[in-house]
Amino acid sequence: ETGVTQSPTHLIKTRGQQVTLRCSSQSGHNTVSWYQQALGQGPQFIFQYYREEENGRGNFPPRFSGLQFPNYSSELNVNALELDDSALYLCASSLGGRNEKLFFGSGTQLSVL
Amino acid sequence: GESVGLHLPTLSVQEGDNSIINCAYSNSASDYFIWYKQESGKGPQFIIDIRSNMDKRQGQRVTVLLNKTVKHLSLQIAATQPGDSAVYFCAENAPSGTYKYIFGTGTRLKVLA
Repeated sequence: ETGVTQSPTHLIKTRGQQVTLRCSSQSGHNTVSWYQQALGQGPQFIFQYYREEENGRGNFPPRFSGLQFPNYSSELNVNALELDDSALYLCASSLGGRNEKLFFGSGTQLSVL
Repeated sequence: GESVGLHLPTLSVQEGDNSIINCAYSNSASDYFIWYKQESGKGPQFIIDIRSNMDKRQGQRVTVLLNKTVKHLSLQIAATQPGDSAVYFCAENAPSGTYKYIFGTGTRLKVLA
């Protein structure tokens, strides 16, 4: 069984740039959620994708967008990067449904300078 | 390097002792709860879950207690080991209609040899 994998592991960008983060879900999982984790805090929900459609969104601006592909992998795109976007971005996969365990990848550490 | 929790509440426990980590959750309508363990440089790892129709659930060396009256969760770790050193988060499912989990701020567990 393959776990959740994310790439890249680390990324440095400058303010105003755009970034794309990638996630491969655990085999058998059809749902992907993205979370942002600032230093010293718990993960904050960005959005979830199920069957290639956004299935719920947290309190993040439209410059945070995503995609899910037919193989259930996913991308998180962030436009017009701001300094406060510096964080660990976590992808989690799960089976479809509300009360399903999330299985997390190791995250992408994004630094915006 | 450190990626999680520079200023989190910290619990220091002697190796071999039992640990109790507490969490207050926010929504009385939440009906599913998960405890996660996060080691430095890694994503959160599932430990144990509990549904709101239960008060207690046991796993291997871990027990979760749920008190819905005061919206409180606790995680008990028996015979704490050095490998248990990490940041621990509780997560509650959001009210019906959304698919997000709400994470607590986390507690750092330090196991003293």
